[in-house]
Amino acid sequence: EAQVTQNPRYLITVTGKKLTVTCSQNMNHEYMSWYRQDPGLGLRQIYYSMNVEVTDKGDVPEGYKVSRKEKRNFPLILESPSPNQTSLYFCASRLNRNTEAFFGQGTRLTVV
Amino acid sequence: TQLLEQSPQFLSIQEGENLTVYCNSSSVFSSLQWYRQEPGEGPVLLVTVVTGGEVKKLKRLTFQFGDARKDSSLHITAAQPGDTGLYLCAGDNYGQNFVFGPGTRLSVLP
Repeated sequence: EAQVTQNPRYLITVTGKKLTVTCSQNMNHEYMSWYRQDPGLGLRQIYYSMNVEVTDKGDVPEGYKVSRKEKRNFPLILESPSPNQTSLYFCASRLNRNTEAFFGQGTRLTVV
Repeated sequence: TQLLEQSPQFLSIQEGENLTVYCNSSSVFSSLQWYRQEPGEGPVLLVTVVTGGEVKKLKRLTFQFGDARKDSSLHITAAQPGDTGLYLCAGDNYGQNFVFGPGTRLSVLP
């Protein structure tokens, strides 16, 4: 089954404790991206990657890092999480920039 | 940064009613996509419109792309409780990036 898998689905952590949210897709898609979703603000792009070893900042990259060492994986790293990073995070993949986005099921992160 | 606005922000209607939600921008997009998101899930694509003035139908849902490719509408006929969800529009900035609107949260009461 074609899918985008994120882990964990839920995470509560403390300020400053490094964390990684994993994302994996099995569709051989080139384009992957991370979004955060906050009430009234919609989905805002954090980072995106057009292919292996190619990553670029989206609209809200501050406080986040990503890597794309393999085509299928695109982890999101918070080196020192802060409470304003409490949000619902989605990973998405596309065949290329212009096509349908397939989303993971989301990771609800709470930073206390 | 391009912005997409959606209206209304919230909509609660009775089963069987018709409704229209809007997606507006001052920017021109090469295409526009509509997604539906249900609680606890990621957004799922409903349709992509590409040509100015284009109308696409998906069962009881009718999507229209504005002539100038700056706006779009989604019309639902005879809404059903299964239509409940968050409807998101996303504009394609000529392959540079996708911009999402804040969404319209629809609740259809039985």
